Amino acid sequence: NAGVTQTPKFQVLKTGQSMTLQCAQDMNHNSMYWYRQDPGMGLRLIYYSASEGTTDKGEVPNGYNVSRLNKREFSLRLESAAPSQTSVYFCASSELPPSVQPQHFGDGTRLSIL
Amino acid sequence: QKEVEQDPGPLSVPEGAIVSLNCTYSNSAFQYFMWYRQYSRKGPELLMYTYSSGNKEDGRFTAQVDKSSKYISLFIRDSQPSDSATYLCGPSNSNYQLIWGAGTKLIIKP
Repeated sequence: NAGVTQTPKFQVLKTGQSMTLQCAQDMNHNSMYWYRQDPGMGLRLIYYSASEGTTDKGEVPNGYNVSRLNKREFSLRLESAAPSQTSVYFCASSELPPSVQPQHFGDGTRLSIL
Repeated sequence: QKEVEQDPGPLSVPEGAIVSLNCTYSNSAFQYFMWYRQYSRKGPELLMYTYSSGNKEDGRFTAQVDKSSKYISLFIRDSQPSDSATYLCGPSNSNYQLIWGAGTKLIIKP
């Protein structure tokens, strides 16, 4: 089983460039999430989608946009990349709100902004 | 002050030792408490969760929550080199969002 697939795995951008991080899950989960992980900061929620057709801001949404394309796919877009957005980005999915249901994570996209 | 505090480590112990990993939190409304394990260059995976106070055991792992002192612990018995990873604690708030600690890096030396 693929679980949660993120593309690309690595990317280097120049300041001001744009790009979209792709995420797809094959577990028929309703909820999907985008996190960034920085050293010493832990995981910080950027945006989440509780169900198809809905998206909500998390803790650090500035500079990002998301699209829940369908039940399987949830993309994250950087419109004008900044060095502060250098991070590892994780997509996750869960069946229900994650109070007791585990979030399943992809293996991350390592993004460097020069 | 962060809502969830976790010593980043690294914590280095010999194989076979008992490991204690800890988190403190500030929000008394947290009810669900998750522990995730993250191997290098991988996404986190759920290890255990507990609801409210008390202990929960799963094989070599025991999760413990003390709500009165807002303290969460994960104990690993008979630690193995394969346990070397970063351990993230994640209480859940009233909106069912996980509030993540920064993670403790654990190294088990053979």
